[in-house]
Amino acid sequence: GENVEQHPSTLSVQEGDSAVIKCTYSDSASNYFPWYKQELGKRPQLIIDIRSNVGEKKDQRIAVTLNKTAKHFSLHITETQPEDSAVYFCAASISGSQGNLIFGKGTKLSVKP
Amino acid sequence: DTGVSQDPRHKITKRGQNVTFRCDPISEHNRLYWYRQTLGQGPEFLTYFQNEAQLEKSRLLSDRFSAERPKGSFSTLEIQRTEQGDSAMYLCASSYRLAGNREEQFFGPGTRLTVL
Repeated sequence: GENVEQHPSTLSVQEGDSAVIKCTYSDSASNYFPWYKQELGKRPQLIIDIRSNVGEKKDQRIAVTLNKTAKHFSLHITETQPEDSAVYFCAASISGSQGNLIFGKGTKLSVKP
Repeated sequence: DTGVSQDPRHKITKRGQNVTFRCDPISEHNRLYWYRQTLGQGPEFLTYFQNEAQLEKSRLLSDRFSAERPKGSFSTLEIQRTEQGDSAMYLCASSYRLAGNREEQFFGPGTRLTVL
């Protein structure tokens, strides 16, 4: 079955710097890759997603890139702010099939003012 | 509130007792998922429904776990003879399956189970 690896497990940056989180997946049939942000004690919330027919997607300060050949995808946050501090999870699924998400173990991002 | 809701938010029980959780998805969503999340880990898939049909169960879902979604609306997850290893956050998510759409999964706030 699918396996998703996520790195790093913790990331500390200064406010205004960029943050990059990387994930790899094992199942070449996976075609949908969402990123969720989870604040302490809160539910996971989708921040951006990408399908396998697209190589890059951007939404304001957040971007995701996908390399299907290498089976890895990355989250880029620019101009980080203290409110970006949270745990970020990548996930993969086979959209069109059952669609259940396989999550990475998460990255705890701390943005220091 | 039109989001996914779960009840109760917290449950403390003694080992060996049965517990039941409820999830109310977003009303027009036809897919409903249950995940389990332990501290420091990502959510792990347990089972999912398309309308009222339970179509997939993870190997994580032992015989002590059962889930239902009568009439394709709310869902319940029951754990019988709870064990300390069942302590976790149980998350419900829903999505709308339509050919070509994003199938974004919206998560509920979760039910935190503590087994003493």
